[in-house]
Amino acid sequence: EVQLVESGGGLVQPGASLKLSCVASGFTFSDYWMSWVRQTPGKTMEWIGDIKYDGSYTNYAPSLKNRFTISRDNAKSTLYLQMSNVRSEDTATYYCTSIGAYWGQGTLVTVSS
Amino acid sequence: DIQMTQSPSSLSASLGDRVTITCRASQDIGNYLTWFQQKPGKSPRRMIYGATNLEDGVPSRFSGSRSGSDYSLTISSLESEDVADYHCLQSIQYPLTFGSGTKLEIK
Repeated sequence: EVQLVESGGGLVQPGASLKLSCVASGFTFSDYWMSWVRQTPGKTMEWIGDIKYDGSYTNYAPSLKNRFTISRDNAKSTLYLQMSNVRSEDTATYYCTSIGAYWGQGTLVTVSS
Repeated sequence: DIQMTQSPSSLSASLGDRVTITCRASQDIGNYLTWFQQKPGKSPRRMIYGATNLEDGVPSRFSGSRSGSDYSLTISSLESEDVADYHCLQSIQYPLTFGSGTKLEIK
């Protein structure tokens, strides 16, 4: 059974940093480009970026590339999202996904003082 | 960036109705269009990929079509289990962009 399990979300203060993780199982993680997607409380979906299967290349949404960094550890079948200088508008549920059939359950990040 | 204009934003229909949701692309995206269904409290589920291809296990009442820059998701006969949010996504060009979503309810 394919599973993507995100963790690391929670309540964080504006300006802080946060690192999300996503552990994959049930498929060959190292064969897939992987993405992070977020969904605002208003249900709008936003693609954050993706990373090549071997970790050698990343793409980002232009509005986020200066603050967010995607990485992966194929030996641990884990995808990461490093968020820095977070803002209230970063409040959302964050999903890791292959952008196809595989989606995690999401982890909620709330940015508030 | 490619803009995906999704309509309607919400839709209320009766059981058995034919329902259509549309996304219009601001640039040519070929058939790089995916439809996702998201039920309350759940993660998105891919329903249609390549604009017209039905994901395995998706009921045949769902279909995808294209007319020029307009991409449609059609439910031929609405069932109660189809109540959900629906999202389109273009994946031909970075950054990938979603439509604004459609909330489908039963009248």
